[in-house]
Amino acid sequence: AQKITQTQPGMFVQEKEAVTLDCTYDTSDPSYGLFWYKQPSSGEMIFLIYQGSYDQQNATEGRYSLNFQKARKSANLVISASQLGDSAMYFCAMRELTGTASKLTFGTGTRLQVTL
Amino acid sequence: GAVVSQHPSWVICKSGTSVKIECRSLDFQATTMFWYRQFPKQSLMLMATSNEGSKATYEQGVEKDKFLINHASLTLSTLTVTSAHPEDSSFYICSAVGGHFSWSPLHFGNGTRLTVT
Repeated sequence: AQKITQTQPGMFVQEKEAVTLDCTYDTSDPSYGLFWYKQPSSGEMIFLIYQGSYDQQNATEGRYSLNFQKARKSANLVISASQLGDSAMYFCAMRELTGTASKLTFGTGTRLQVTL
Repeated sequence: GAVVSQHPSWVICKSGTSVKIECRSLDFQATTMFWYRQFPKQSLMLMATSNEGSKATYEQGVEKDKFLINHASLTLSTLTVTSAHPEDSSFYICSAVGGHFSWSPLHFGNGTRLTVT
């Protein structure tokens, strides 16, 4: 089974609007971390936001917020006031406490295109 | 913040030759480094995990004799693609984490685009 599922291969959003990128995950581990990364066309992976499985509040970082619904095993990324520079691939990822070296498992990504 | 440097950023080599990619943690000691491969329009797939001073742990389906990983110090890990073939052409990216396990985000290098002709 897929550990991280991103069902939106591509999304469009108008500049200054908000957009939600979906992510669902699958784990039996009670302790885990969820991450979102941005990958522009140049290739580097830029860390955006993190949510721990025991965190009571949804994480926020500037224009990024994470809508964490633990019972549904979803961790959607919300980008407010989209900017042209937000156009990129976005990856949801999970680290689990068990297993070897806490590796990061990625979803298939969502390509976001911000339009004028 | 934590900085990971990866070199070279791109390389073109002939089929049959070997290519070495370096991954350095510049301002922290990386006890663990991860090597990922990304084909065009696909996600990052973990190839192997390396811990300083010990043998790398390879993911299923990754040939350890073809992708040699050396993590000789707390700031340097290398990936050598041996006898490269065109199907090895891909984007290779490393990440690093320091200290004991924590939920701190993995910091990535800028990646290496390998083209084998």
